[in-house]
Amino acid sequence: QVQLQESGPGLVKPSQTLSLTCTVSGGSIYSGNYYWSWIRQHPENGLEWIGYIYYTGNTYYNPSLKSRVAMSVDTSKNQFSLKLSSVTAADTAVYYCARQICGGDCPRGFFDYWGQGTLITVSS
Amino acid sequence: DIQMTQSPSTLSASVGDRVTITCRASQSIGNWLAWYQQKPGKAPKLLIYKASTLESGVPLRFSGSGFGTEFTLTISSLQPDDFANYYCQQYNSYLYTFGQGTKLEIK
Repeated sequence: QVQLQESGPGLVKPSQTLSLTCTVSGGSIYSGNYYWSWIRQHPENGLEWIGYIYYTGNTYYNPSLKSRVAMSVDTSKNQFSLKLSSVTAADTAVYYCARQICGGDCPRGFFDYWGQGTLITVSS
Repeated sequence: DIQMTQSPSTLSASVGDRVTITCRASQSIGNWLAWYQQKPGKAPKLLIYKASTLESGVPLRFSGSGFGTEFTLTISSLQPDDFANYYCQQYNSYLYTFGQGTKLEIK
């Protein structure tokens, strides 16, 4: 059974960089069939896809966040990470990591496994 | 961006009812649509993908249909465990977008 677990500080100061890591267990991040995504959910319930990374390091980011987002992957640790710079209160949300499975025309796809989510609050 | 609009925003129903949630896309997405169920404090759970394919382990009372711009999620006979929030997600474009959600509550 694949499991994903987010880790990182729950409180980030405005203008600083949010850093999160997702550890994958029960399966290899090295699989060619999957991409690894970050998704966030604002308090008003809206789900927003942030971007994905492939085990090779290839990435694709949501254009609305692209200038502030960087993702990386560490296949030796079966982890992938998110950095979001210059955060503001609008970045306060629950952040999820998720496994993205190809929906037909890779890499486009949907999310079959999710982490439990971690609340990130941006506040001084 | 492809906008996904769900209706209704809130749906009140009783155990045993048949309910339908609608998701409309701002442009055609073929059948590249997924549905998720989310309970308070939990991550979304995949129910259906490719508009109508049931994820393994999901009860048969859940079904999905649609193509192009209009899609539905139907629960044939509501069970107590089904009261939750439901979201659609399109993956026709590389910028994945979700509907705003439908809260299914007990009448």
